[in-house]
Amino acid sequence: SQTIHQWPATLVQPVGSPLSLECTVEGTSNPNLYWYRQAAGRGLQLLFYSVGIGQISSEVPQNLSASRPQDRQFILSSKKLLLSDSGFYLCAWSRGQRGPNEKLFFGSGTQLSVL
Amino acid sequence: LAKTTQPISMDSYEGQEVNITCSHNNIATNDYITWYQQFPSQGPRFIIQGYKTKVTNEVASLFIPADRKSSTLSLPRVSLSDTAVYYCLVAGSARQLTFGSGTQLTVLP
Repeated sequence: SQTIHQWPATLVQPVGSPLSLECTVEGTSNPNLYWYRQAAGRGLQLLFYSVGIGQISSEVPQNLSASRPQDRQFILSSKKLLLSDSGFYLCAWSRGQRGPNEKLFFGSGTQLSVL
Repeated sequence: LAKTTQPISMDSYEGQEVNITCSHNNIATNDYITWYQQFPSQGPRFIIQGYKTKVTNEVASLFIPADRKSSTLSLPRVSLSDTAVYYCLVAGSARQLTFGSGTQLTVLP
């Protein structure tokens, strides 16, 4: 069966510090990978998605970046965090059919607090 | 890009059937309709997906009228553990997988 691992679960970082969140998927190959952010009491905002190694699409311009160094590894980074980067970050994967009926499977999330 | 509109919140009592409607007037021909459930501090979980008419699985039913401009998620005999946020997602490609604000369902004893 497929599993998705996301860590850390919680993170407290000072403003201006770097960020690295990692997500890995097991039990599947060539998945589509996604990073979402959820502000408190709000819906999910799609930040990045990737359909293959080295292929990253950004949905929202900001000081975050994403990389996919391996087929089942997706990393979210920032060189200098802002207060507005606080939120609940979720990694997700889908089967990579590249069709309209993608079903998303989410990790357990990282609660990031920037102070 | 199909945009969805859902009620912000709904209350129900245990054992009742709950219907949550999502409006998507600009749905495109190749868009599918997918519903997710999210508990606090967890990632959303897939509930059901459909394209047209009716779809039923072990946890819910999805009703989609012929014009596909709306859809209704039906949860039979809800329990307290069904209290969660429910999202309607209409998408035809990976770049369109953006969620709306969802519907907070509260099941009361």
